[in-house]
Amino acid sequence: GQQVMQIPQYQHVQEGEDFTTYCNSSTTLSNIQWYKQRPGGHPVFLIQLVKSGEVKKQKRLTFQFGEAKKNSSLHITATQTTDVGTYFCAGPMEYGNKLVFGAGTILRVKS
Amino acid sequence: ETGVTQTPRHLVMGMTNKKSLKCEQHLGHNAMYWYKQSAKKPLELMFVYSLEERVENNSVPSRFSPECPNSSHLFLHLHTLQPEDSALYLCASSPSPIDTGELFFGEGSRLTVL
Repeated sequence: GQQVMQIPQYQHVQEGEDFTTYCNSSTTLSNIQWYKQRPGGHPVFLIQLVKSGEVKKQKRLTFQFGEAKKNSSLHITATQTTDVGTYFCAGPMEYGNKLVFGAGTILRVKS
Repeated sequence: ETGVTQTPRHLVMGMTNKKSLKCEQHLGHNAMYWYKQSAKKPLELMFVYSLEERVENNSVPSRFSPECPNSSHLFLHLHTLQPEDSALYLCASSPSPIDTGELFFGEGSRLTVL
């Protein structure tokens, strides 16, 4: 079945270092979404990318959608302790238009 | 405040108990969802409701029984659960189930089955 894979599963960085998480789909996606879940919290929508090769920025966060619309990345520049949490990507299923979530990347930041 | 409210936030139940999780959305959305979040596993879609009609049941065991009396309320009735059903149950809503746009999640109900 359709799968959305994320790597790495876990990353521990020093405050101020950069962080990147990658998302790969087994099928072409019409769009990709990113969510953040703080420890003990619930997923919160960050952004949606729709166009091939699209790049969007939110302050220190940069989101990319691959040219083939099968992969995406989230890059955080100069991480801060407020960035800790799990970052999920999600893409629509090939049939049914329901979102399939990746397993997430857990980010920990040492101050 | 997310606009999606879930109660209770925490629930401990025995395998023979019957309990219900409640979700209410104040966003005027037409679609509501139940997701299960277990440790180290992706979010699993359980049920989708569109305008109070169930449009998706993702092979969920019958010990989980959803109910959607109107477009603002969603319940998940639980009975004879197993310890492996312990998880965070997340309710979400979206303007439409057809357009795969942003999901608005509630804070979740943490369920422990003893």
